[in-house]
Amino acid sequence: DTGVSQDPRHKITKRGQNVTFRCDPISEHNRLYWYRQTLGQGPEFLTYFQNEAQLEKSRLLSDRFSAERPKGSFSTLEIQRTEQGDSAMYLCASDYSGANVLTFGAGSRLTVL
Amino acid sequence: AQTVTQSQPEMSVQEAETVTLSCTYDTSESDYYLFWYKQPPSRQMILVIRQEAYKQQNATENRFSVNFQKAAKSFSLKISDSQLGDAAMYFCAYILPGGGADGLTFGKGTHLIIQP
Repeated sequence: DTGVSQDPRHKITKRGQNVTFRCDPISEHNRLYWYRQTLGQGPEFLTYFQNEAQLEKSRLLSDRFSAERPKGSFSTLEIQRTEQGDSAMYLCASDYSGANVLTFGAGSRLTVL
Repeated sequence: AQTVTQSQPEMSVQEAETVTLSCTYDTSESDYYLFWYKQPPSRQMILVIRQEAYKQQNATENRFSVNFQKAAKSFSLKISDSQLGDAAMYFCAYILPGGGADGLTFGKGTHLIIQP
């Protein structure tokens, strides 16, 4: 197991386009988190899955954002009708219940032109 | 809601010297976990050290140690014998047992510069 994988590492898109990011957590981890990080700031929580259930969503996650984890393994984060303010690094992290230690992926950087 | 505050946007230290990064947090909970994460320029977030709030003993990992003051809600990181590879953004973070509603809550980070 090579850790938490995220794809793509960098996405450049035009305003108004849709983008999708994928996260593959560590295989035995049942909890998966999405965070957003803008330059010079700490990561901000977006949403959280335990197995396939999406248990929490931040107010930062507008209607244009949707996340899924259909079989409790990998997760996708889709942003529809992207805006320049969506430009950020999107980080995925995972852990298993009781561990309380998140392992992060390398992130997917989004640039909206 | 829990908050984490890092009051030092940037710190600089000479190689081989010791540096302390500050962190304070606000919570009404008694059971929680605190972390320091390191984020080098490559942007991969790496766990440096973890502290359980119910443990009075300060956590230590090689050159990294913490000073955990629960009553003061303070959690500082001491890096001894600083090395060039320690240069990075350092984030203090908090989590409730079971992950809580928001997972980890992060501070804004401290940029650590190591001068050769």
